[in-house]
Formats: sequence, C-alpha cells, structure tokens
Amino acid sequence: TQLLEQSPQFLSIQEGENLTVYCNSSSVFSSLQWYRQEPGEGPVLLVTVVTGGEVKKLKRLTFQFGDARKDSSLHITAAQPGDTGLYLCAGASPSGTYKYIFGTGTRLKVLA
Amino acid sequence: GAVVSQHPSRVICKSGTSVKIECRSLDFQATTMFWYRQFPKQSLMLMATSNEGSKATYEQGVEKDKFLINHASLTLSTLTVTSAHPEDSSFYICSAREWGGPEAFFGQGTRLTVV
Repeated sequence: TQLLEQSPQFLSIQEGENLTVYCNSSSVFSSLQWYRQEPGEGPVLLVTVVTGGEVKKLKRLTFQFGDARKDSSLHITAAQPGDTGLYLCAGASPSGTYKYIFGTGTRLKVLA
Repeated sequence: GAVVSQHPSRVICKSGTSVKIECRSLDFQATTMFWYRQFPKQSLMLMATSNEGSKATYEQGVEKDKFLINHASLTLSTLTVTSAHPEDSSFYICSAREWGGPEAFFGQGTRLTVV
C-alpha cells in the first residue's frame, strides 16, 4: 500500500512568514499533485509535477518533486491569511491507472 | 475548462434509505472517475476507481454492495450509498480524468448526513 506522509500536520504562522510543507513516501509516483481545500468544498488543484527534480512556481508558491519521485515539497513565501486551508499532496501510481493516493494533509492557518 | 460537477452538494437522509450522488464532467470526456470519502479534519480516502463501461475497482475495506458505482457514460458516474447508516455520514468527493491526461479534476463534494 502506498502511503504519503505530510509534515507538519498543523501549522500556525504569522502573516509574512515563510513555510515549507513536506510530502514523503517510500513509493515512486509517476506524478504528484498539490491541492488546497477549504472547509466544505472539494480540493482545488494547485500544481502537477511529473519529472524528478522538477520545480514549479505559482506566484508565492514553489513546488518541488524529488529526484527519485518519492517526495515533494511546497514552499510558501510571505504567507497571507488567504493561504489558510488544508494542503494535500496526492501521488499517482506508476501502474498507469492514474489512481491518486492522498497524503495525510497539512492544515495551515495564517494569522493577520 | 475541466469542470466537474457533483450533485447534490448536501443531502440528509433517514437511516435505512439509499442515496445517489452524481458526478458529471461538463466539458470533457472522463474515461476514469474516482470516488473519495473524507471524514472531518482528515484527508481523502480513495473508495473506488471506475472506468466507463466497466465495473468499478474498489479499494480494500470498501463494501462494493453498499457503495454502488455506475459509470455508464463518458460524462457521468454515480455513487449510491445503499441502506445508509449514521456511520456513512461523510463528505464524498469525485474526481474525473480525461483519457491521456495526467490530471484529475475534483467535484465540489457532497455532504451526506444520515439521521
């Protein structure tokens, strides 16, 4: 069974601070996605990374896929209250089914 | 593009009744749809994978006779929770993937409350 562990589980920071969320597994993934979810809503896709070592930037968010495609990180620069939410990573099985397994989640709260 | 619509967004039903949740891809053909379940303050747990025109593949521990999945067309999949009980109360979310595409797009989710 593929497992994706995210750390930290909870994070409460002040506006303007930087943070990094980690997503780790012992399994290899063909691709990995990051989502943000607001309470009572479905997850919203932030980014998909496919190539080992790939780095993608989305405004203040930087995503990196590990060289071995087993782990990923999400770095937020100068966090804002609007960044508050549940961040989820999801890895796709390399079997070709594109079945995504979700990480344990990181709940972020940015205080004004 | 890539819009997935889930209906209803909220449903309350009595214990013992069945509830059907629909998942539609509005602007693409979804060859594969996934159904997830999410308990409060937890991550999403994959329940089953359905491919259009074939039987769904259920994850270990998910009762296929209780959670009936139908994917009869390229734009619609349904999840029916049969003989619902209070412990089935949860947030159910579907996602859909287009043939050849690496990304799956999510619906808004359905909050099911069984009383």
